[in-house]
This record gives sequence, structure tokens and C-alpha cells, in this order.
Amino acid sequence: KQEVTQIPAALSVPEGENLVLNCSFTDSAIYNLQWFRQDPGKGLTSLLLIQSSQREQTSGRLNASLDKSSGRSTLYIAASQPGDSATYLCAVRRDQAGTALIFGKGTTLSVSS
Amino acid sequence: DVKVTQSSRYLVKRTGEKVFLECVQDMDHENMFWYRQDPGLGLRLIYFSYDVKMKEKGDIPEGYSVSREKKERFSLILESASTNQTSMYLCASSHRGQGTGELFFGEGSRLTVL
Repeated sequence: KQEVTQIPAALSVPEGENLVLNCSFTDSAIYNLQWFRQDPGKGLTSLLLIQSSQREQTSGRLNASLDKSSGRSTLYIAASQPGDSATYLCAVRRDQAGTALIFGKGTTLSVSS
Repeated sequence: DVKVTQSSRYLVKRTGEKVFLECVQDMDHENMFWYRQDPGLGLRLIYFSYDVKMKEKGDIPEGYSVSREKKERFSLILESASTNQTSMYLCASSHRGQGTGELFFGEGSRLTVL
């Protein structure tokens, strides 16, 4: 059974720092991996999606990488800002059909000014 | 812009009441999902649907039912609400068998059962 782990559970950094959030999964047979952001009391916002054939995706200050063979993904945030404070979740999908994503429990990021 | 809309952001119900949570998407997605999110437990799948009138149990279906009469609408029903169903409920949708399979979420419905 697929398990997704995100370490650390919480992270505090000063503004301007570059940081990396980690996501690991136990079964490398995935279709894609998706990173989300969640603000307190809100739904999840999709940040980046990496297909299993891809190694990385970039959007603005965010860069997500995928190493299927080792079961790892990282989300790199450059030049962090207080507005980046949120919980970041990763999730993996097994196939292209209707199966649901398996989520990690997230990393809660706090960026201080 | 893609949109998943959940009808109620906040609900307060009493034990034993029947509760309906509605979700509508405007992206012509085949798949729709209901998750609940609790501190320390993360997101857990309740039910999902891959087509009209089709449904599949997720990890925690007990105490819940669902309805999908139209492609764009997926309803979660609590037949007799209990205090342990106090939670954040999140609806999501995605394409099936085409495209990237990207999952989109609604804003969530915070349910409190007294």
C-alpha cells in the first residue's frame, strides 16, 4: 500500500531564505505527483504537477523535482516571503484513471519578516 | 478559470440531523472526490465517483453516502450526523483517462456537529 511521508512536519525560516520541502513515497509505480498549498481554513490550491516521465517542473519561485526510482520529490522555494507561510502537501496518483490521490500530512511553513 | 464550488463554507448541525454537502465543478471532469481533513490525520478519502451514478468507497465510508445524478454535481450525505463527523470536508475533481489528471479542490466545508 502506497504511503506518502513529508518531513519535517513544520519549518520556520526568515524571509529571503531558500528552502526545500521533502516528500517521499513507498511505491515508485506512480502516474504523477502533485504539490498543493493550503492556507488555514481553506481548500487546497494546486502548485505544480509532475508526470512520472518528467524530472522537474517550475512555476515562478517554485521548483519541484521527482526521482521515481528513489521515491522522492522535493519542492524548492526561492527567496521565501511571509506570504509563502502555509501548509504544503504532496500527493501521488497511481494511474491515469479514476483512482484517488494518496496524500502526505504536509509541512507547515512559517516565514518571518 | 477552473472552479470547484462547495455550497456551504460553514455548517453547524445537531446530532442525528441529516446533512447534505454539495459540490459543483465546471470543468467537465469525470472524477469527483470527497475527502475529510482532521488535524494529525491528514486527508482521508470518503468516496469518489468516476461517472454519473457511479461511486466507489474510499478509506472511511462508514456513516456517509454520496449521490451523483449529474456529471457536474457530487453530493455527500450524512444520514444521521454524529459528533465524530465534525471536520473539514473537501471536494475535488479531475479528468479521467485524459490530460494530466491534475486534481482541483473546492474551498472546503467546515462542519460542526453538536
